[in-house]
Amino acid sequence: GQQLNQSPQSMFIQEGEDVSMNCTSSSIFNTWLWYKQDPGEGPVLLIALYKAGELTSNGRLTAQFGITRKDSFLNISASIPSDVGIYFCAGQLMDAGGTSYGKLTFGQGTILTVHP
Amino acid sequence: DGGITQSPKYLFRKEGQNVTLSCEQNLNHDAMYWYRQDPGQGLRLIYYSQIVNDFQKGDIAEGYSVSREKKESFPLTVTSAQKNPTAFYLCASSMGKQFFGPGTRLTVL
Repeated sequence: GQQLNQSPQSMFIQEGEDVSMNCTSSSIFNTWLWYKQDPGEGPVLLIALYKAGELTSNGRLTAQFGITRKDSFLNISASIPSDVGIYFCAGQLMDAGGTSYGKLTFGQGTILTVHP
Repeated sequence: DGGITQSPKYLFRKEGQNVTLSCEQNLNHDAMYWYRQDPGQGLRLIYYSQIVNDFQKGDIAEGYSVSREKKESFPLTVTSAQKNPTAFYLCASSMGKQFFGPGTRLTVL
């Protein structure tokens, strides 16, 4: 199956710093999703994006759906220790009839470490 | 309390044995999915089901089987034909956005 390129693979930052990560694809997606996964747990949905150019915030998190529909960005402002975890992007395709079948393609994840 | 449950959290099996992982949801979602996650990797789709009594292969279906006899349940069987079954298995359901269960870590000895 197709893959998303997510970068960086890992980040080591100080508490209070801002964080940026992104995903790129060779294919167009209709929906971009960002998840956070704590060790040994299932991913938790952070933000969903549905339109090219859309910018959506959830507290200190802000995500954008790229204009080309081939990329997405996630920013975390003023990081805190509980931001530690793995962040995944995921893209969802629709067929010509508008049916998604719900299938997601995931990036490899960005491991975030926050030093107090 | 609404959500997706997976049991057990940890599962150990001997090589050559089939094992079934449970996934139940009470969110009234039509679609359900099974993913496999290996260390340092993203999630890979094993099987998915859009409706009861129907399911499709994902990207890595070989060595796995599923059933969808009830809307709430989507069990995954890891068969002895799966060459590298040790992994973290995640179940998800959706009606639009996709939500995940807590996962089952399967170790084959």
